[in-house]
Amino acid sequence: EAGVTQFPSHSVIEKGQTVTLRCDPISGHDNLYWYRRVMGKEIKFLLHFVKESKQDESGMPNNRFLAERTGGTYSTLKVQPAELEDSGVYFCASSFETSYNEQFFGPGTRLTVL
Amino acid sequence: AQKITQTQPGMFVQEKEAVTLDCTYDTSDPSYGLFWYKQPSSGEMIFLIYQGSYDQQNATEGRYSLNFQKARKSANLVISASQLGDSAMYFCAMREGATSGTYKYIFGTGTRLKVLA
Repeated sequence: EAGVTQFPSHSVIEKGQTVTLRCDPISGHDNLYWYRRVMGKEIKFLLHFVKESKQDESGMPNNRFLAERTGGTYSTLKVQPAELEDSGVYFCASSFETSYNEQFFGPGTRLTVL
Repeated sequence: AQKITQTQPGMFVQEKEAVTLDCTYDTSDPSYGLFWYKQPSSGEMIFLIYQGSYDQQNATEGRYSLNFQKARKSANLVISASQLGDSAMYFCAMREGATSGTYKYIFGTGTRLKVLA
């Protein structure tokens, strides 16, 4: 069974540009989460999808971030325009149910904004 | 407010020795889960162990055990017989129950463990 995959693994962009991160959850996992770790800080929740619906987007920093999950499969996270403080590692995770089941994490996308 | 605290930014342990990584939490939700993840230098987050707030016994998974002290709100990870491959960043995380409406994780800042040969 394939794990959670994320693309790209690294992205370096200039301030003001747009970047789109992609996450493919484990097949059959309805729940998809986005998290972010800024250098030296804790990993912070961004949002949670149940299938194609946003269950909780309380962690989204501002309206420069847009997450979608069309068809309830893969998800994209777009940052437009990117700012320096958006640099960090963006993790995607998925889980089968929202009960106690652990979330399975992808390898992350390291975003650097210059 | 919900919070996870890992007070050890870095730890060293001799190979084959046991090591304890500290984690304290704060929540008002009576139903919650506590998780430990390992992040090696390759970057992926590997699930290690889970403890539910209503579990009577401490969780164990191979060389990993969770020392759960509910009254003290601590959930320390114990790694027995350390191996060189255990060198990694370790994150403690908490997931709250249904009252929060979501099942997001709250993470600590992590502890970097280095196993010495």
